[in-house]
Amino acid sequence: QSALTQPASVSGSPGQSITISCTGTTNDVGRYNYVSWYQQHPGKAPKLIIYDVSNRPSGVSHRFSGSKSGNTASLTISGLQAEDEADYYCNSYTYSSTRVFGGGTKLTVL
Amino acid sequence: QVQLVESGGGVVQPGTSLRLSCAASGFTFSSYGMHWVRQAPGKGLEWVAVISYDGSTQYYADSVKGRFTISRDNSKNTLFLQMNGLRAEDTAVFYCAKDGVGTYLDHWGQGTLVTVSS
Repeated sequence: QSALTQPASVSGSPGQSITISCTGTTNDVGRYNYVSWYQQHPGKAPKLIIYDVSNRPSGVSHRFSGSKSGNTASLTISGLQAEDEADYYCNSYTYSSTRVFGGGTKLTVL
Repeated sequence: QVQLVESGGGVVQPGTSLRLSCAASGFTFSSYGMHWVRQAPGKGLEWVAVISYDGSTQYYADSVKGRFTISRDNSKNTLFLQMNGLRAEDTAVFYCAKDGVGTYLDHWGQGTLVTVSS
């Protein structure tokens, strides 16, 4: 149950696009299309923003999108806004029916 | 609307036990799996455990297996986490979260802080 691998930090200017990667193995990310992404602002609970690789829950901005290739999933945020500054976590279902999170990525909007 | 309210956190000594509760409302509790997720101070999210909608199946992270037990009372719309043999490294905010359709966590509570210290 090793954590999925995410970059510790990414940054971008308002209006730009950024991508956060999430690398797992053939036992989790690579095996299932069950990757989800969560946004967490300081002192707040996480919020689901992408589920099943590329689906957006109702109410989540179209600026958030997800994809997957092999053992790596990605979250792209387009048209960066100041309010997007937060921590982002990926999560995957695993072959043993457990779940595993990535280590988290801190997004800074310059 | 979905509401999840955790309780039961506090300061405890190493080796002792604690039971967390999560009161659920705004959805048919007995129809959904439920999770516990924790976050150590200044650290990332760590998935802890999941229980099926009817309580018949549970899965745990290796870090808590054999020490923590997830359970639920569908008659009271409440989720539990029994934590035994607590260690300093268990210090964290514990969140309960509602399962979507088995592949994601779609609603989260605000968390309860557990501090394990002598």
